[in-house]
Amino acid sequence: AQKITQTQPGMFVQEKEAVTLDCTYDTSDPSYGLFWYKQPSSGEMIFLIYQGSYDQQNATEGRYSLNFQKARKSANLVISASQLGDSAMYFCAMTSPFASKIIFGSGTRLSIRP
Amino acid sequence: DSGVTQTPKHLITATGQRVTLRCSPRSGDLSVYWYQQSLDQGLQFLIQYYNGEERAKGNILERFSAQQFPDLHSELNLSSLELGDSALYFCASSSPVGGQTNNEQFFGPGTRLTVL
Repeated sequence: AQKITQTQPGMFVQEKEAVTLDCTYDTSDPSYGLFWYKQPSSGEMIFLIYQGSYDQQNATEGRYSLNFQKARKSANLVISASQLGDSAMYFCAMTSPFASKIIFGSGTRLSIRP
Repeated sequence: DSGVTQTPKHLITATGQRVTLRCSPRSGDLSVYWYQQSLDQGLQFLIQYYNGEERAKGNILERFSAQQFPDLHSELNLSSLELGDSALYFCASSSPVGGQTNNEQFFGPGTRLTVL
């Protein structure tokens, strides 16, 4: 069965520092996708970044990068130069082509201190 | 703005009642997914439709049902509501080939349901 684990319920980071949010996953499917979503206090789910299991390079989107370590089954999100607006819940998620669903981790609440 | 719309934004109702939540996917997206986010259960996948047909079921109760119409909008029907059904209900859409899910889903703003 597929599983996503986020072990950090909450984190506090100083503004402008880099931050790493941890995510480990478990699946027996050879092909899968890993995602990160941001949920601000307003409630909407915002797609941040995607990594395919066959992608050779780590995905990057602006200040977001995904540190994909396939052998360790980890897909950590790195936010460089954090900003106050980065304060939110962050969810790691996984899907596979034929699983027909997306599984979310329990989330990490990130708080950025000025 | 993800391009996915959901109505209503807020819904307050009483136990035992029935409600319908509506979702319009992004233009061109064939797949619609429904999720429930509650404090104790986290974000749970409920059901997926692809081009009008049910594609996958998750943790959806028998009191809940959904459908996707020819114009691709979808409705989630919740009946015999209980206090524990109070949650944020998200709809998401994507444009996977053949209904596969190996690409990102774009979420609507959600409908916050409160059952009193």
